[in-house]
Amino acid sequence: NAGVTQTPKFRVLKTGQSMTLLCAQDMNHEYMYWYRQDPGMGLRLIHYSVGEGTTAKGEVPDGYNVSRLKKQNFLLGLESAAPSQTSVYFCASSVGDEQYFGPGTRLTVT
Amino acid sequence: GENVEQHPSTLSVQEGDSAVIKCTYSDSASNYFPWYKQELGKRPQLIIDIRSNVGEKKDQRIAVTLNKTAKHFSLHITETQPEDSAVYFCAASKGSYDKVIFGPGTSLSVIP
Repeated sequence: NAGVTQTPKFRVLKTGQSMTLLCAQDMNHEYMYWYRQDPGMGLRLIHYSVGEGTTAKGEVPDGYNVSRLKKQNFLLGLESAAPSQTSVYFCASSVGDEQYFGPGTRLTVT
Repeated sequence: GENVEQHPSTLSVQEGDSAVIKCTYSDSASNYFPWYKQELGKRPQLIIDIRSNVGEKKDQRIAVTLNKTAKHFSLHITETQPEDSAVYFCAASKGSYDKVIFGPGTSLSVIP
């Protein structure tokens, strides 16, 4: 039982490049979330999903897109990366109140 | 939308002393308040939570109190140990399956 996993762990992008972050969970959780973590700003919700095929905007959705084609996977896309998107990205899933976090992806945009 | 504030941003205590972290929230409809601990380089993990129908909850050296009228809640750690050093996040939501809004975090250092 791997829990919540994220791919990749690290990535460096140039401004304007695109990429997709993958989150996978094997706990059959309905809800999945993408957060970004920046120093002094805590965890800010980017997008979330309440089930397969559904997504919703969080606090800071601009510049990101998501898809939940399969219940176990939640993808976060950056179409045209900007230096302001340099951050650590955490995925989480939940079936009740407790959120289970993945190990994080450290993204640097130069 | 919901806004969660947290104080202090950094806290340093001697081993064995108590630590208190305070949070306020803005949405009176929030009724679930979890606390997460994040060690350096690790993922956040739930350490304790409280619902609006309860004023206080304890789990060994950790306790959380909630004042719904004032819209604030606090985390209390007694007999602190070096392994308590971490960043602590409070959060608020309207309950199961609702999105959770996190505070900015408190970096706690326990000095041996």
